[in-house]
Formats: sequence, C-alpha cells, structure tokens
Amino acid sequence: AQSVAQPEDQVNVAEGNPLTVKCTYSVSGNPYLFWYVQYPNRGLQFLLKYITGDNLVKGSYGFEAEFNKSQTSFHLKKPSALVSDSALYFCAVRVINTGGFKTIFGAGTRLFVKA
Amino acid sequence: DGGITQSPKYLFRKEGQNVTLSCEQNLNHDAMYWYRQDPGQGLRLIYYSQIVNDFQKGDIAEGYSVSREKKESFPLTVTSAQKNPTAFYLCASADRLNTEAFFGQGTRLTVV
Repeated sequence: AQSVAQPEDQVNVAEGNPLTVKCTYSVSGNPYLFWYVQYPNRGLQFLLKYITGDNLVKGSYGFEAEFNKSQTSFHLKKPSALVSDSALYFCAVRVINTGGFKTIFGAGTRLFVKA
Repeated sequence: DGGITQSPKYLFRKEGQNVTLSCEQNLNHDAMYWYRQDPGQGLRLIYYSQIVNDFQKGDIAEGYSVSREKKESFPLTVTSAQKNPTAFYLCASADRLNTEAFFGQGTRLTVV
C-alpha cells in the first residue's frame, strides 16, 4: 500500500537550534514529495517539494528537505529554528490513482520552538 | 487575486440536517479535493474530482456527497447519514499533474 509516515507526533527544539522533522514514504515509481505547514484554524501552506533533480530541496521560510531514495525518506530541516516556526507540519506524497493523481498526507508532526 | 475560497468559516448544524460547504477556486485547476481533519489526526480524503462532471470516493466518503458541475466549484454536502460530522474540513485544488496542492482556509463544522 502506498503511504507516508511521520514517526514523531511532536518535536521540541530551542530557538536558534537546528530542527529536523522526519518523514518516510512508500510508493511505487518515482515519488513526488511535499511538505506543508498548518497554523491554528488555517488551511495548509506549501513549503517545498521534490520532483526530480538535486536531493536537497530549498523552500519557503528557510526550510529545506533532503530526499534519500535508499532510505525512502524526505526529512524537513532548518538550520536555526524560530519561535514563529511552531506549527503543525505535514509530509505528503503524490500517488497515481484511477484517472489521475491524488495526494496523501502523513498524520502530521507538531513542532514546538521554545524561546 | 488567485486562490481557493471556502465558506463559511464556521458552521453549526443540528443533528439530522444536511449542510453544504462551499469551495471555489480561480486557479484554473482541474483537480479538487475535500479532506477532513480531526484533532490529533492527519488529513483524510473524502472525495476528489479530476475533471468537471466526474468525481471519486476517497477513504471516508460515507455520509458525504459532492458535485462538480463547474471547474471552479466543488461543494461538499454533509448528510444526516454522517454519524460524527464535527470536524475541520479542508478543500484543495491542484493542476492535473498534482505538482502542488493549494488549500482553502477551512470550514469548522460543529453539530449542536
């Protein structure tokens, strides 16, 4: 079955420290991978995506993610966390379905950045 | 401004009533999606549509219905058959290749 997993419900980091939010996937074929962020009572905002090319993808707000095909992972990273980065983060993968594509999401990881 | 708009932001429904959530996009996207989000859970796919006048059930379609009469619009009806409808509902749209999904701001539905 095609799926995406975020093994951590919550990640806590201190402001100024590097952060990593983990994501692993299981899909057939070459994956399209995404990270989204959600603030309270809002929709999801796109951060970055991997389709092809360089394994290190840079996105919005200083975030980046590294695609690792052998480990089927796509971890989100930021060199120096800000308190304002505190939010709910979703990893997602595009899968092929009847008549086209659909995107499936991980369960989300809540990031807390402490001042 | 291009974007995707959901309305209303908050909605209250009495038990036994049907209610319709609106989703409109002006991004010229072919694909549109409805997700449900419950506390502590990720997004679960309710229905999706790849093209006008066509839609498919997602993982939790029971108790919901949709229509796709126009490219711009993909309304979701929560019927009385949905036993636990209180949730946050998110609509999204994407191009045909699903290279990036754009989300609305969500509708919080509460059954009273």
